[in-house]
Amino acid sequence: KNEVEQSPQNLTAQEGEFITINCSYSVGISALHWLQQHPGGGIVSLFMLSSGKKKHGRLIATINIQEKHSSLHITASHPRDSAVYICAVSPATHDDMRFGAGTRLTVKP
Amino acid sequence: DSGVTQTPKHLITATGQRVTLRCSPRSGDLSVYWYQQSLDQGLQFLIQYYNGEERAKGNILERFSAQQFPDLHSELNLSSLELGDSALYFCASSVPRGGTYNEQFFGPGTRLTVL
Repeated sequence: KNEVEQSPQNLTAQEGEFITINCSYSVGISALHWLQQHPGGGIVSLFMLSSGKKKHGRLIATINIQEKHSSLHITASHPRDSAVYICAVSPATHDDMRFGAGTRLTVKP
Repeated sequence: DSGVTQTPKHLITATGQRVTLRCSPRSGDLSVYWYQQSLDQGLQFLIQYYNGEERAKGNILERFSAQQFPDLHSELNLSSLELGDSALYFCASSVPRGGTYNEQFFGPGTRLTVL
């Protein structure tokens, strides 16, 4: 079983919809990351969080350490949000990063 | 633009060959991470360097090696290449001098194709 599980694997939404991507992990962590990968391949770090909630524009990330769960929300989705969203964790006892399989989001106009 | 540069962008080579991928971290970042992204395995951590020293090792094959130089740029060497080594190789940097661990900034990647 993967240490980082994401759901859903694929998500199609209409422009303007509210989107939620979920991430569950099974190891103790020092931080959780949400990454965005566009079709061209480049990876952008959206959030790094270890507790609570962070907001950047239309993106909101939350984490519940006790439940080992995080969510990424996109409000008022737009076609340019179409990308693969990857959840990753920095384990508490190791200096590496463990990745989920990603969620492929397609937002239709 | 993350400030992390990788060269080359694309690399096509044959099985059995050896290649070197290069990464320059963001100005001032001390840590460099290497990742492999293949179609069937997703993103995998390979190795991390901090200020010239190896800090952590992941799923890095013995045929692969890396180093970080005094100017903090890093090279990933892949030898005896196999078809299965075809992948996108990313490097990322973090930890500015005098700072603590923060988010990682990813380079644009090198796409390696082994024929």
